[in-house]
Amino acid sequence: GNSVTQMEGPVTLSEEAFLTINCTYTATGYPSLFWYVQYPGEGLQLLLKATKADDKGSNKGFEATYRKETTSFHLEKGSVQVSDSAVYFCALSKQGGSEKLVFGKGTKLTVNP
Amino acid sequence: NAGVTQTPKFQVLKTGQSMTLQCAQDMNHEYMSWYRQDPGMGLRLIHYSVGAGITDQGEVPNGYNVSRSTTEDFPLRLLSAAPSQTSVYFCASSSGQGTDTQYFGPGTRLTVL
Repeated sequence: GNSVTQMEGPVTLSEEAFLTINCTYTATGYPSLFWYVQYPGEGLQLLLKATKADDKGSNKGFEATYRKETTSFHLEKGSVQVSDSAVYFCALSKQGGSEKLVFGKGTKLTVNP
Repeated sequence: NAGVTQTPKFQVLKTGQSMTLQCAQDMNHEYMSWYRQDPGMGLRLIHYSVGAGITDQGEVPNGYNVSRSTTEDFPLRLLSAAPSQTSVYFCASSSGQGTDTQYFGPGTRLTVL
């Protein structure tokens, strides 16, 4: 079946460090891929998305590229800030849209000043 | 525009009690869904609805009922609460068009004793 695997956390970085959170997926067909972020005590917010192979999603300095050949959608940011501390979820949509999302387990990021 | 609202924010139940988690959206979205979030498990889809009068099961539907009498509201009912239903519950909505974003509510933290 469809599934998402993302790197285990927690991840702790110093401010201005480079961030990579790995995400790989298993799916039939051509899913859409998403990164959601959950700040402490809040619901999930869409961070970025990509809908087809080689698409790059970007937002707030974060980027991820849809790699069909490696079934990956790794999240990167060149210089993290304390305000980036949150839980990050990789997800796919089985129907090509944003409905019926399948989530990874989440990666908690803490950025220290 | 309030987006997706959920009530209550916190709830404690005893085993066997019933309750309804409320969810409402004011974006005229056709698609609404309920997820539960458990530590180390990510989010899992409970039930979803593609429009008023239409509902379907997600990945973990047992122990939960839903109905969709209006576009705006999508309540989740626990008929006989069990400790295994202790979780954080998120409601989400989207227009259901292609790769549109899902918008999440702030969540309800439920504890079943």
